[in-house]
Amino acid sequence: QVQLVESGGGVVQPGRSLRLSCAASGFSFSTHTMHWVRQSPGKGLEWVAVISYHGTDKYYADSVKGRFTISRDNSKNTLYLQMNTLKPEDTALYYCARDALVITGHHEFDYWGQGTLVTVSS
Amino acid sequence: SYELTQPPSVSVSPGQTANIACSGHELGNKYVCWYQQKPGQSPVLVIYQDNKRPSGIPERLSGSNSGNTATLTISGTQSMDEGDYYCQAWVSGVWVFGGGTKLTVL
Repeated sequence: QVQLVESGGGVVQPGRSLRLSCAASGFSFSTHTMHWVRQSPGKGLEWVAVISYHGTDKYYADSVKGRFTISRDNSKNTLYLQMNTLKPEDTALYYCARDALVITGHHEFDYWGQGTLVTVSS
Repeated sequence: SYELTQPPSVSVSPGQTANIACSGHELGNKYVCWYQQKPGQSPVLVIYQDNKRPSGIPERLSGSNSGNTATLTISGTQSMDEGDYYCQAWVSGVWVFGGGTKLTVL
């Protein structure tokens, strides 16, 4: 079955960096566009970034553009999110999610991981 | 930037029908999907492409989208339907979520 397992979260000071990982299994990772979505404590969902199946196309939410970098290693079935210059407002549970485009023809998120918590605080 | 607006909360009695609205400019021209999130859990896709259900989602969940409003309808609401519901649309290369609606089954 499809599994997405995030890791790498933790407590970090403002201005520092953190790299999140998402290990995928149970499907052909290299054929799927992948996303990062975050949820601040007690708040709603916010899309963060997307990467195409081959890794060449990447897009970001305005709130993270220039600070975050999404990448993937299809040989390792792993998605990454490099987060630099972190701010307190980046504090959130970060989910990786699979894009259903190759299955449904549209961009809904059909599988989500359990999330990894990032806390930015001094 | 494009915005999707949802009511913060909706309450319904068991067995009744719950309607959760999601509004946005010319939303009917875009595909909308819906996610259910229960406390402490990850979101689950319940409706995609306005009105399609993934396998395993009960038939009493349905969706529609026209004009400026998409609607998630839950017929014969049960206590297991309680949770937060988020609409989502893909707009000009950006994925936009509504603010979420907390569904309470009284």
